[in-house]
Amino acid sequence: NFMLTQPHSVSESPGKTVTISCTRSSGSIASNYVQWYQQRPGSSPTTVIYEDNQRPSGVPDRFSGSIDSSSNSASLTISGLKTEDEADYYCQSYDSSNQGVFGTGTKVTVL
Amino acid sequence: EVQLVQSGAEVKKPGESLKISCKGSGYSFTSYWIGWVRQMPGKGLEWMGIIYPGDSDTRYSPSFQGQVTISADKSISTAYLQWSSLKASDTAMYYCARRVNYMDVWGKGTTVTVSS
Repeated sequence: NFMLTQPHSVSESPGKTVTISCTRSSGSIASNYVQWYQQRPGSSPTTVIYEDNQRPSGVPDRFSGSIDSSSNSASLTISGLKTEDEADYYCQSYDSSNQGVFGTGTKVTVL
Repeated sequence: EVQLVQSGAEVKKPGESLKISCKGSGYSFTSYWIGWVRQMPGKGLEWMGIIYPGDSDTRYSPSFQGQVTISADKSISTAYLQWSSLKASDTAMYYCARRVNYMDVWGKGTTVTVSS
């Protein structure tokens, strides 16, 4: 099975932009859709991006997702950073047997 | 409103058995996969496995195969996660979530504490 590796933490000031990477260890990042989940302290995860770059209703367009086959990675970009964006973010994809694989998680700190 | 309501926190001793639940409402329970996710204290999310309540087709992550049992009772729209012999290392928060093309609805989680 493959692994999804994320940076442990990123930090930025309010109003700025952060980008979180999610690198797939084997197999093509494009072979299965990538989702991104936000988890605030003490809460269940919620989806901010699904199918690489789709936003569920209610998620602001400050959140965007993309994939890059050349680096075999997916990215989540949060623009116009707000204090409420401070949370852990996890990428997630599926393997060939429909099993989910989560990324290692990234803590976003808004300075 | 689509909801997944999970059973309450559990405190158990090593070697004991446990079955926690996840009840779906507001949608056709038999038409969507339900997944289980573990989060150990201070750690990340781990995919445990998934079940399709319509026909009980169940898939386990290799890390959890043989360690837990996932089941569902479609007559009461409830999925289950069970252990036959708990270990201290099973101490964690356990989430259930509905899968559409992504995990769109999550339960609030069940805390399981295993301690002698």
